[in-house]
Amino acid sequence: QSAPTQPPSASGSPGQSVTISCTGTSSDIGAYHYVSWFQQYTGKAPKLLIYDVSKRPSGVPDRFSGSKSGNTASLTVSGLQAEDEADYYCYSYAGSRSWVFGGGTKLTVL
Amino acid sequence: QVQLVESGGGVVQPGGSLRLSCAASGFTFNAYNMHWVRLAPGKGLEWLAFIWSTGGAEEHADSVKGRFTISRDNSKNMLFLEMTSLRPEDTALYYCARDDTHYALDHWGQGTLVTVSS
Repeated sequence: QSAPTQPPSASGSPGQSVTISCTGTSSDIGAYHYVSWFQQYTGKAPKLLIYDVSKRPSGVPDRFSGSKSGNTASLTVSGLQAEDEADYYCYSYAGSRSWVFGGGTKLTVL
Repeated sequence: QVQLVESGGGVVQPGGSLRLSCAASGFTFNAYNMHWVRLAPGKGLEWLAFIWSTGGAEEHADSVKGRFTISRDNSKNMLFLEMTSLRPEDTALYYCARDDTHYALDHWGQGTLVTVSS
C-alpha cells in the first residue's frame, strides 16, 4: 500500500486555475471509480470536496472539479480565492477493504 | 446534525497501549461503515482501519496490522480503536470518519492527540 504521488506544493494567483495531480497505480486509482479529494486547513478536520472522481457534495462550490485518466486523478480549483489556501489530499479505494491517501499538496494563493 | 467526537488520546510510553473512542450522533450509526485516519506531525493523512456497519468485517493498514484493532458498539453508537505496542512514529492526531455509500469520508471528528514518548 504505497501512497499515490501528489506534488508537495502548488500555487496560483487569485482568479487563476490550479490543477493538483494524484498518481497511483493500476491497483488503486486506475482500478476503481472511488477517488475522493479532501481540503484540510491547519488544525481543522478534513473536508470532503469531491467523491466518485468528479462528484461534489452539496455545499461545495463548483470551482472545485475532479477528473481521472488512467492511474492519475486530478483536482482543479478554478477562480482561486485566498480561502482556498490549504492542504489537499486525494484518497482512493485500493481493493480488499483498504484505502490509501495521497501524500498531500500544500496550495498557496499568491 | 452529524457529530463525531473522539476521546482517549494522551501521552503513552513506547510499548504501551491506548484505547480511542468515537461517539457518534445525529445519524443512524448502525447503517454506516466507519474508519480511523491519522495525521502525524509534518506528514500527510494516513488511512488506518475500516469496519462494516454491522461490525461483521474489518480491515487494517499494513502499518498497524497486528497492533491496532478497530471495533464498534452499535448499541451505544460508539467506535473504538485499540492500540498496542505503540511506537514513537504512532504519534499523531487520530480521526474517526463516516463512510458514505461511495467509499468517501463525508463526516469527520475533530481528532484526539496521541503522543508516544518516554
